[in-house]
Amino acid sequence: KNQVEQSPQSLIILEGKNCTLQCNYTVSPFSNLRWYKQDTGRGPVSLTIMTFSENTKSNGRYTATLDADTKQSSLHITASQLSDSASYICVVSPYGNKLVFGAGTILRVKS
Amino acid sequence: EAGVTQFPSHSVIEKGQTVTLRCDPISGHDNLYWYRRVMGKEIKFLLHFVKESKQDESGMPNNRFLAERTGGTYSTLKVQPAELEDSGVYFCASSLQGTHYGYTFGSGTRLTVV
Repeated sequence: KNQVEQSPQSLIILEGKNCTLQCNYTVSPFSNLRWYKQDTGRGPVSLTIMTFSENTKSNGRYTATLDADTKQSSLHITASQLSDSASYICVVSPYGNKLVFGAGTILRVKS
Repeated sequence: EAGVTQFPSHSVIEKGQTVTLRCDPISGHDNLYWYRRVMGKEIKFLLHFVKESKQDESGMPNNRFLAERTGGTYSTLKVQPAELEDSGVYFCASSLQGTHYGYTFGSGTRLTVV
């Protein structure tokens, strides 16, 4: 069983709508939790990084939350755009340097 | 600033052949990492270099995989001999010394073993 579980596996929304992606993790202890966006054929690009003591972090229309007690995180996308279509990956960093990835949520934004 | 560069972007080889993937990190980044994503699975850690030294190679699947980083600059990942299950996307990332906040990924090499 993966240490980082994401839901839903895929999601289709209309342009302009909001959506929330979920991440549950069992990695413990951990240094930080990240959300990455990965476009097709590209490498993952960091959206937000939160330490275990942070509850929320925003980056434009992206807002990540973290509940270290329940080991849950979410990524909220506001006013979605067609360019938001991508895979969104939750990544937990244990102490040390390697990252533990979730399988990702594939988001498709339709016009 | 140039990002992390990987070459080739795609490679199709036959089972039993050898393939070498290359990664050029961001200049000045001492930390270099290899990850891979096999079909339908999450991205998984392979190994970590600090300069030319292997800091952590706990994710390397078996001895058919050999990673090097001579001189602490670019890195190569050789698969010899390749097997069907080695197919996937191999990502390289780099970060500054002492921190993994500036983790930057390359676009990956898609390896297909037929």
